[in-house]
Amino acid sequence: DTEVTQTPKHLVMGMTNKKSLKCEQHMGHRAMYWYKQKAKKPPELMFVYSYEKLSINESVPSRFSPECPNSSLLNLHLHALQPEDSALYLCASSPRGTDYYEQYFGPGTRLTVT
Amino acid sequence: TQLLEQSPQFLSIQEGENLTVYCNSSSVFSSLQWYRQEPGEGPVLLVTVVTGGEVKKLKRLTFQFGDARKDSSLHITAAQPGDTGLYLCAGRGYQKVTFGTGTKLQVIP
Repeated sequence: DTEVTQTPKHLVMGMTNKKSLKCEQHMGHRAMYWYKQKAKKPPELMFVYSYEKLSINESVPSRFSPECPNSSLLNLHLHALQPEDSALYLCASSPRGTDYYEQYFGPGTRLTVT
Repeated sequence: TQLLEQSPQFLSIQEGENLTVYCNSSSVFSSLQWYRQEPGEGPVLLVTVVTGGEVKKLKRLTFQFGDARKDSSLHITAAQPGDTGLYLCAGRGYQKVTFGTGTKLQVIP
C-alpha cells in the first residue's frame, strides 16, 4: 500500500457545525502533516506530527484541532470555521520524523464553509 | 525566511515543444523535491534531488539541482497533454520545508 487516503473528498459545512477530516496511511511513515491550499497557491503547512506527537503548529487558529490516534491515522477536527477557511486540505506523510524528506500527499478534502 | 521563486508562473505550449521551469532561492537546501499537482488533487512526488549538481531523469523529464543547492530546474522534452498541471518545487531546510510559488503548465494538443 503506497498511498495516503483522505475522507471525505468534499465537505460543505456551516459556520456553527463541527466536522472532522480523516487521513490514513499504511506505509509505516512516522511523520504526518496537514496543509491548507488555496486556489493557485502552494500548500501552507498547518501541523506536523512526528512519531504520533504534535511537533509543529504553524500558529493555526484554535478552530482547527489536530489529533493523531495512532501512527497510521491523522484527524483534523473543525469547529466554528469562517468562510475564508474554505480551501483544499491536504494530508501528507513522510518516512522519517520531522525532516520532511519525500512527502507523499493524499488527494485532499475540498472544504467549503457557508 | 526561506523563499523559493518559480518561473515562469504560467506556461501554455503546443504538444511536442520543450520547456524549462526554474526554482530559485538565496537559501541553501539539504534536498529539493518536485511535485506535479492536477486540479482538485494532491501533489504527486516526481523526484528528490540531494547532491549539488545532481541530474535525474524521469522519462521525458530532466531535473537538475544547482551546484550550490540553492536552485533547481525541470526540463520537459516533447511535452504531452498529460504533462499539464501545477508544478511545485519544495526545498527542505532545517526542520522546515518551503514550497515554491508554482508553475502552471498547459500543453495544448
